[in-house]
Amino acid sequence: GAVVSQHPSRVICKSGTSVKIECRSLDFQATTMFWYRQFPKKSLMLMATSNEGSKATYEQGVEKDKFLINHASLTLSTLTVTSAHPEDSSFYICSARGAGWDETQYFGPGTRLLVL
Amino acid sequence: AQTVTQSQPEMSVQEAETVTLSCTYDTSESDYYLFWYKQPPSRQMILVIRQEAYKQQNATENRFSVNFQKAAKSFSLKISDSQLGDAAMYFCAYRSVSFGNEKLTFGTGTRLTIIP
Repeated sequence: GAVVSQHPSRVICKSGTSVKIECRSLDFQATTMFWYRQFPKKSLMLMATSNEGSKATYEQGVEKDKFLINHASLTLSTLTVTSAHPEDSSFYICSARGAGWDETQYFGPGTRLLVL
Repeated sequence: AQTVTQSQPEMSVQEAETVTLSCTYDTSESDYYLFWYKQPPSRQMILVIRQEAYKQQNATENRFSVNFQKAAKSFSLKISDSQLGDAAMYFCAYRSVSFGNEKLTFGTGTRLTIIP
C-alpha cells in the first residue's frame, strides 16, 4: 500500500516551453501533497505544499507564477514549470500524505527535468 | 524553526557488520515525528523507520533500529547485518505535529557504502 507515482520519469524540453509533471497516489486518498526539488548530491528542498481543493502554499523564495501547482482531486497533483530555463533543470519529487490515518509522507519516484 | 543535522557526509561498513548513522535536531516542540528515509541510486525515497516523540520505546524494523534520545535531541539509525542493498543516501527528517505544519525538514544526508 501507499504507492505514489510520477509522470513522466524524465523529460527534456526547450527553453521557454512549459512542462507539466503529474503526481498520483495510487491506493490512498492524499489530502496533502508536497513538491520537492533536489540538486545533485544534495538534500530535498521543499517547494510547496498543496491541499486538495485549495491554493498551494509556497516556500520562501519559490516563484509561484513559475511553478504552478494544482491539486484538483484527492489522488492527483500537478506541477507545471512555466517558461522553463536551463536553471530549472533538476530532479523534482512529490510526496503524499493520507487523510489522518498515517503521519508518513510517501514519495514518488521523481522526475528528471532537463531544459536545453 | 526546526533544523536537522547529519554530521557524517559519508560512512562505510563491511558487509554483515553493524553501522550507526547519527542525526541531531533542534526544536522547541515537545511532540513531533522523526523519520529515516533511504534514497538508493534509483533516487526513490523509501521510508526506513519512524519514531513518535511521545513514545519512549525505540522503533525497530527488522535490521533497522533507532536510538532516540529526546533530551539530547538525538535520533541515530543502527543498521545490523549490513547488506549490499543497504547502500544509499540516508536522510533524517523532522515533522511537527502542529496542524497545518506538516512539512518535513531534512538533514543533509549520509552516503552509506557497503564493502563486500
